[in-house]
Amino acid sequence: AQSVTQLGSHVSVSEGALVLLRCNYSSSVPPYLFWYVQYPNQGLQLLLKYTSAATLVKGINGFEAEFKKSETSFHLTKPSAHMSDAAEYFCAVSEGSFNKFYFGSGTKLNVKP
Amino acid sequence: EAGVAQSPRYKIIEKRQSVAFWCNPISGHATLYWYQQILGQGPKLLIQFQNNGVVDDSQLPKDRFSAERLKGVDSTLKIQPAKLEDSAVYLCASSLDPLSGNTIYFGEGSWLTVV
Repeated sequence: AQSVTQLGSHVSVSEGALVLLRCNYSSSVPPYLFWYVQYPNQGLQLLLKYTSAATLVKGINGFEAEFKKSETSFHLTKPSAHMSDAAEYFCAVSEGSFNKFYFGSGTKLNVKP
Repeated sequence: EAGVAQSPRYKIIEKRQSVAFWCNPISGHATLYWYQQILGQGPKLLIQFQNNGVVDDSQLPKDRFSAERLKGVDSTLKIQPAKLEDSAVYLCASSLDPLSGNTIYFGEGSWLTVV
């Protein structure tokens, strides 16, 4: 089975600073990778996904992620944090013929004014 | 296009009582998932349906949890009897089909507190 590791359960940045949220996965085959965001008291919303078309994936709200096979990583970045980015972010991998999803434990992003 | 609908949004029950959650997936989505999300953790798959058949229920505590999707559309997740450790958000999600790489879309979740 797949596993997804998100380093850092809490990340704090200043408004306008770079956001970097880390995700590593284990897989022996090219995976499908996703980032979801969860705002308080809401469900998960898709930010972006990697499906092997391009290694740099652009998502909503100015986020992007780069797939690095050699590092088995799919880190999420945003050049300039905004207060509205404060939320919890989950990395996920999909595998298998039945589209099973495995989620990381999440990283809570705090944005300081 | 309507999203994944879930109800109720919030429920407080005493331990040993029962509770049921309902989910209506996005129209046309054949695959339906129920996840349990405990505070501070990522979602954990409880059960996955493909139409009205079960694809994976390996992590469903079958002594107390049950789920059905009788007509291959909406689904119900039941807990009976509830335990304190069942306090969590129950997320329903759906995807168009089970091919790997298909986006899964989540509902807003049903918050359960067991006291």
